[in-house]
Amino acid sequence: NAGVTQTPKFQVLKTGQSMTLQCAQDMNHEYMSWYRQDPGMGLRLIHYSVGAGITDQGEVPNGYNVSRSTTEDFPLRLLSAAPSQTSVYFCASSSLSGRGGTGELFFGEGSRLTVL
Amino acid sequence: DAKTTQPNSMESNEEEPVHLPCNHSTISGTDYIHWYRQLPSQGPEYVIHGLTSNVNNRMASLAIAEDRKSSTLILHRATLRDAAVYYCILRDTLNAGNNRKLIWGLGTSLAVNP
Repeated sequence: NAGVTQTPKFQVLKTGQSMTLQCAQDMNHEYMSWYRQDPGMGLRLIHYSVGAGITDQGEVPNGYNVSRSTTEDFPLRLLSAAPSQTSVYFCASSSLSGRGGTGELFFGEGSRLTVL
Repeated sequence: DAKTTQPNSMESNEEEPVHLPCNHSTISGTDYIHWYRQLPSQGPEYVIHGLTSNVNNRMASLAIAEDRKSSTLILHRATLRDAAVYYCILRDTLNAGNNRKLIWGLGTSLAVNP
């Protein structure tokens, strides 16, 4: 099982550029989410989805867009990158209860983004 | 919002048991208590979870207070590879809308001395 796959692992952007962080899971999980992790701030939820076609905002959604057209994929788009978006980004997925799932979150290895 | 409170850091000696506490006084009836750990330069990994009863798995044990307002992650014999940041979170997987409130906090940084 590949689990949760994130690409790219590293990216350097200039202010104002746009990019998409890719996340794919092969566990047929309903729930997918994006976090950012900054020093001294812990993990903060950006956006999440509970199924294809359903997305919702987390704690820090501004500057980011998501879509969920398939169960497997949940890309995170930075529309106009800013230095404040320099961070490590993690994608995570899980099953949801009611379908026999434990809700255990599976994380990708992370994508380190630097915005100059 | 359902929040958890953990000590910033703890220290242990190798091969000794470690008890990592977590307070969650605002826990609701549908919240599961989840524990994760994050090794340096890696994503968090699942350790254990529970609802009301104590739980054991190959990695650790989870002791949950009778009123569910606190829990303790128990590593029975700490190894150097257990040095990580440990997070206690509350996860409501029954009510999808409550996922917005998933708050991680800073966790407990565990140091293991050889």
